[in-house]
Amino acid sequence: EDKVVQSPLSLVVHEGDTVTLNCSYEVTNFRSLLWYKQEKKAPTFLFMLTSSGIEKKSGRLSSILDKKELFSILNITATQTGDSAIYLCAVTNTGGFKTIFGAGTRLFVKA
Amino acid sequence: NAGVTQTPKFQVLKTGQSMTLQCAQDMNHNSMYWYRQDPGMGLRLIYYSASEGTTDKGEVPDGYNVSRLKKQNFLLGLESAAPSQTSVYFCASSYWAGGTNNEQFFGPGTRLTVL
Repeated sequence: EDKVVQSPLSLVVHEGDTVTLNCSYEVTNFRSLLWYKQEKKAPTFLFMLTSSGIEKKSGRLSSILDKKELFSILNITATQTGDSAIYLCAVTNTGGFKTIFGAGTRLFVKA
Repeated sequence: NAGVTQTPKFQVLKTGQSMTLQCAQDMNHNSMYWYRQDPGMGLRLIYYSASEGTTDKGEVPDGYNVSRLKKQNFLLGLESAAPSQTSVYFCASSYWAGGTNNEQFFGPGTRLTVL
């Protein structure tokens, strides 16, 4: 059965800390792994990863994929209170339509 | 450019009632999706539509039906609502799920409660 597992499920840090969120997957015919940030409403796209070892960066956020070990990490450096959100990891298969989401990591950044 | 919009934002139904959730996108996307999000379970795919006029089941389709008569609209129907369908429903769209650019854009969600 296809599955995506995120850890930790929740995390509380202080502003300025660096955090690493984990996503492991077992999906038939892997195509891509996506990270989303969900604040109060709709998830918003952060990164899409298709190749191993290539880091994607956007400001203080970065992510990398390991297709051999079947996992990805999302790093956030110098965290801010505005980073408080649920971070969702999703994996798509080669058809592209079947998207499996993990349960998410709820991050809370204290001022 | 409104992106993905959903109506209604909130809905309360009684068991056995039926309703339709509406989703519209103005990005000329080919593919559209319906998800439900329950606490601690992430998003689960109910149905998707690869292109106008086609629909397919996702992970949790039972108790739902969909229609995609126009490219910009994707409707989700509940034939006979049950308390287990209490959830937050998200609609999403992507340019073309079969290609490399399959980032999905999400609507604001519909919070549905079935009593």
